[in-house]
Amino acid sequence: AQTVTQSQPEMSVQEAETVTLSCTYDTSENNYYLFWYKQPPSRQMILVIRQEAYKQQNATENRFSVNFQKAAKSFSLKISDSQLGDTAMYFCAFMKPSFTSGTYKYIFGTGTRLKVLA
Amino acid sequence: DAGITQSPRHKVTETGTPVTLRCHQTENHRYMYWYRQDPGHGLRLIHYSYGVKDTDKGEVSDGYSVSRSKTEDFLLTLESATSSQTSVYFCANGDSNQPQHFGDGTRLSIL
Repeated sequence: AQTVTQSQPEMSVQEAETVTLSCTYDTSENNYYLFWYKQPPSRQMILVIRQEAYKQQNATENRFSVNFQKAAKSFSLKISDSQLGDTAMYFCAFMKPSFTSGTYKYIFGTGTRLKVLA
Repeated sequence: DAGITQSPRHKVTETGTPVTLRCHQTENHRYMYWYRQDPGHGLRLIHYSYGVKDTDKGEVSDGYSVSRSKTEDFLLTLESATSSQTSVYFCANGDSNQPQHFGDGTRLSIL
């Protein structure tokens, strides 16, 4: 069974600095997708970034980028120029499509609570 | 805006009572999901649906049932609520390998 591990329950960073959140996963599959979701105090779940396993290029979305190391099964999120609005819980998620059953099930990590300090 | 509405947003009820949470989508996404979020556990899948009247269990399905009679509605029912089911419940939708989009969550307290 696939698992997703976020080993940093809490982190803090100074405003305008860079921070990296770690995520590792365990799978024997070759075709899968990885995601980072942000959950601010408002409780909404907001997609931050997505990575397809077959793509070697790391995904980037403005100040957010990932370091995807497929062999090491690592998917870290880097936030550059941290802003107060980045304060949130961040969840890493793994999804493997099942073409035989036509299902797309997600597995989430336990989350990293990030606090950006003024 | 993924067009997912969860109702109610908050609910307090007593042990042993039935509870139904509703998830409504305005898009025509085939897949819908129910999760629960608890401290230290992240989001755990309760049930999911891959079409009208097509549902399957997730990793924490005991004590829960679901129904999907229309594409736009996915209901989660606790037949006899227990205190261990106090949680925040999220509904999500999606299509194939596209990212899931989530509702705003329902905070359920069972006393």
